[in-house]
Amino acid sequence: SQTIHQWPATLVQPVGSPLSLECTVEGTSNPNLYWYRQAAGRGLQLLFYSVGIGQISSEVPQNLSASRPQDRQFILSSKKLLLSDSGFYLCAWGGGRGYYEQYFGPGTRLTVT
Amino acid sequence: QKEVEQNSGPLSVPEGAIASLNCTYSDRGSQSFFWYRQYSGKSPELIMFIYSNGDKEDGRFTAQLNKASQYVSLLIRDSQPSDSATYLCAVNPGNQFYFGTGTSLTVIP
Repeated sequence: SQTIHQWPATLVQPVGSPLSLECTVEGTSNPNLYWYRQAAGRGLQLLFYSVGIGQISSEVPQNLSASRPQDRQFILSSKKLLLSDSGFYLCAWGGGRGYYEQYFGPGTRLTVT
Repeated sequence: QKEVEQNSGPLSVPEGAIASLNCTYSDRGSQSFFWYRQYSGKSPELIMFIYSNGDKEDGRFTAQLNKASQYVSLLIRDSQPSDSATYLCAVNPGNQFYFGTGTSLTVIP
């Protein structure tokens, strides 16, 4: 069966500090991978998605970036965090054209102080 | 116009009743439709998906899809307090998923 991991689970970072969140998927190959952010009391905002190694599509221009160095690894980064970057960051796998489900990892709760 | 719209609620139903959650979407090219349950502080959990017009039943859950009306719904029969959560509707017209903002459901014992 497929499993998706995210770490860390929680993170408190000062404004202006860098960020690196990691997501890995087990039990599948060549998945579509996604990064979402959910601000408190808000809906899911798609940040990035990737259909393969090195292929990243950005949905929202901001100070975040994503990379996919391996087939089942997806990394979200920032050089300098803003207060508005606080939120619940969710990695998901699956999707694609046609009939595919999408499954979420446990998430990382980021607080920027 | 939002891609996916849901009534934010809150929706309250007594234990044992039927909870009805509704969702409309704008992209007629959408091929697959999903319902997620999200408990407070947790990540969304996929509970139902439906690809064809009509009803799909899984235990106490029934998803209903009407592509002509661009409408998808979720019925929860015999609602339990453990069903209290936010329910997210999602559609997939391609590589991206579009989510509604969710409906908060409270089941009152």
